[in-house]
Amino acid sequence: DMKVTQMPRYLIKRMGENVLLECGQDMSHETMYWYRQDPGLGLQLIYISYDVDSNSEGDIPKGYRVSRKKREHFSLILDSAKTNQTSVYFCASSLSRGADEQYFGPGTRLTVL
Amino acid sequence: GEKVEQHESTLSVREGDSAVINCTYTDTASSYFPWYKQEAGKSLHFVIDIRSNVDRKQSQRLTVLLDKKAKRFSLHITATQPEDSAIYFCAARSTGGYKVVFGSGTRLLVSP
Repeated sequence: DMKVTQMPRYLIKRMGENVLLECGQDMSHETMYWYRQDPGLGLQLIYISYDVDSNSEGDIPKGYRVSRKKREHFSLILDSAKTNQTSVYFCASSLSRGADEQYFGPGTRLTVL
Repeated sequence: GEKVEQHESTLSVREGDSAVINCTYTDTASSYFPWYKQEAGKSLHFVIDIRSNVDRKQSQRLTVLLDKKAKRFSLHITATQPEDSAIYFCAARSTGGYKVVFGSGTRLLVSP
């Protein structure tokens, strides 16, 4: 069963704390993505990873960094979280960088107090 | 860069009626237009797409129309059912590009 998983599903942090969001996929997909979803703004691309250690900034990378050391695993890191990073974060994967369909994980709801 | 706009934030229809969700895009180089559905409390999943070499694509009750001249595309759902209630996102990707730009979403409510 093709699946994208995200951990944790819910997270509450205080401003200034570090945050680690994890994403996994079992489809051997080359390309993985991190998005955030805010009301009225749709999905905004934070980072895209084309394969292990091959990452590229998306449209809103400021305040975030990523790590991809294994093809099936993609992490999003917030160093010193800010209140405006409160959002729902989605990870997605696709077969390759030119592939059409993206497969989305269930999302992580992050609240930064 | 590309911008994708969804004109209706909310759309309400009665069960059995048709629904139309409209989107516009700005980049003439965009050539791939997917649609995703997000049911309440759930993640997004792909529903249908269209490429710029055609102007119409149908899959069961879903039809996507593309007007390249007007840089406009739309999702038509016929014979709506309560399970069609969800947020629908349109998106666009330019030729040779790898980033998909999403619209802000349209919440479709199908009432019995």
